[in-house]
Amino acid sequence: NAGVTQTPKFQVLKTGQSMTLQCAQDMNHEYMSWYRQDPGMGLRLIHYSVGAGITDQGEVPNGYNVSRSTTEDFPLRLLSAAPSQTSVYFCASFSGGNIQFFGPGTRLTVL
Amino acid sequence: GENVEQHPSTLSVQEGDSAVIKCTYSDSASNYFPWYKQELGKRPQLIIDIRSNVGEKKDQRIAVTLNKTAKHFSLHITETQPEDSAVYFCAAVIHSGTYKYIFGTGTRLKVLA
Repeated sequence: NAGVTQTPKFQVLKTGQSMTLQCAQDMNHEYMSWYRQDPGMGLRLIHYSVGAGITDQGEVPNGYNVSRSTTEDFPLRLLSAAPSQTSVYFCASFSGGNIQFFGPGTRLTVL
Repeated sequence: GENVEQHPSTLSVQEGDSAVIKCTYSDSASNYFPWYKQELGKRPQLIIDIRSNVGEKKDQRIAVTLNKTAKHFSLHITETQPEDSAVYFCAAVIHSGTYKYIFGTGTRLKVLA
């Protein structure tokens, strides 16, 4: 199993650009989440999904969109990038009340 | 509300000493308590977990205790080594229809050689 995979590993954007961070898992987990982690800080939940076709907002959803058309994939879209969105983004998945597995992260810089 | 408080935010210990990190949760529907270790530049990874029907669990040098009445749970690392230096996150998983992870704010542990 590959677990949770994310692409790209690194990305530099200019203010106002849009992009999609990709996330996939091959463990058939129903729950998937996106977190952002600013330097020296904790994990903040952006959006999450409890199954295909179902998404909801987390703690810091503004400026981001998600969709969940399949169990495996959970892309995160930045609509109009801002310097405040410079961060490390982690995708994660879990099944029921069990271990949440994290992807390797995407390091995003917005100039 | 749904909240997990974690203390201390930073902790420095001498190599060989013990380290204790404490968390308090607010939602009584929490029934699963994992601990994650995040090394610099890496993803968080599970190191130990405990379920609400267990009071203590041990795995070599690490142990976790849970006091459901007080809504406290703690991570204990004995005989610390330099490679234990990392950020540690506690979490409480709430089961109320769906499952929801609530993370603590993290503890930066430094083990001094």
